[in-house]
Amino acid sequence: EIQMTQSPSTLSASVGDRVTVTCRASQSIRNWLAWYQQKRGEAPKLLIYEASTLQREVPSRFSGSGSGTEFTLTISGLQPDDFAIYYCQQYYSSSYTFGQGTNLEIK
Amino acid sequence: EVLLVESGGGVIRAGGSVRLSCTASGFTFGDYGFSWVRQVPGKGLEWVSAISWNGGSATYADSIKGRFTISRDNAKNSLYLQMNSLRGGDTALYFCARGLMVRGAPMAHWGQGTLVTVSS
Repeated sequence: EIQMTQSPSTLSASVGDRVTVTCRASQSIRNWLAWYQQKRGEAPKLLIYEASTLQREVPSRFSGSGSGTEFTLTISGLQPDDFAIYYCQQYYSSSYTFGQGTNLEIK
Repeated sequence: EVLLVESGGGVIRAGGSVRLSCTASGFTFGDYGFSWVRQVPGKGLEWVSAISWNGGSATYADSIKGRFTISRDNAKNSLYLQMNSLRGGDTALYFCARGLMVRGAPMAHWGQGTLVTVSS
């Protein structure tokens, strides 16, 4: 199975900040990477797929980049609604592994 | 509106079996792949299994391979997960998720989950 490693595990930031979450794959996954947001008590929500394509109705302050083994999720101008847990997921192989998650918390 | 509703969870004895169901509405069921994803409360997401739009391809996480079987009935707009030989480590909230297209990922829509508790 392809292993996905996110960093940091926890990120403290303030409203208005620009933050970046990194996701590394144990082997090349080309651009077959998705990012999800999960709030407490809710199902995950797809934000980005194919590493950089914004899902419909997701605000443009979210962006993704990368290919191969290293990827980033950037949120420009944090809003109060953005404090949540973020997961990356690869779907290059037939076993769709998730990263361990990054908890974005209010500083 | 896309709606996915899971059912079938509950308390099951270790070694026992259960079948989870996911009933879909609001879209053409047979056009999309699906996944099951589980989450231990307070922990991260774990992908469990996926099935393609026509059921021709089914894949599984190593942790459940040989014990769980994913299936679908396009005529009933329903997805299933047959879970056998259950263990304590299978205790989790199980989500049904619809793929963006014909594969089970990326997952564009999610249900609210059904809780499976394996008791010893």
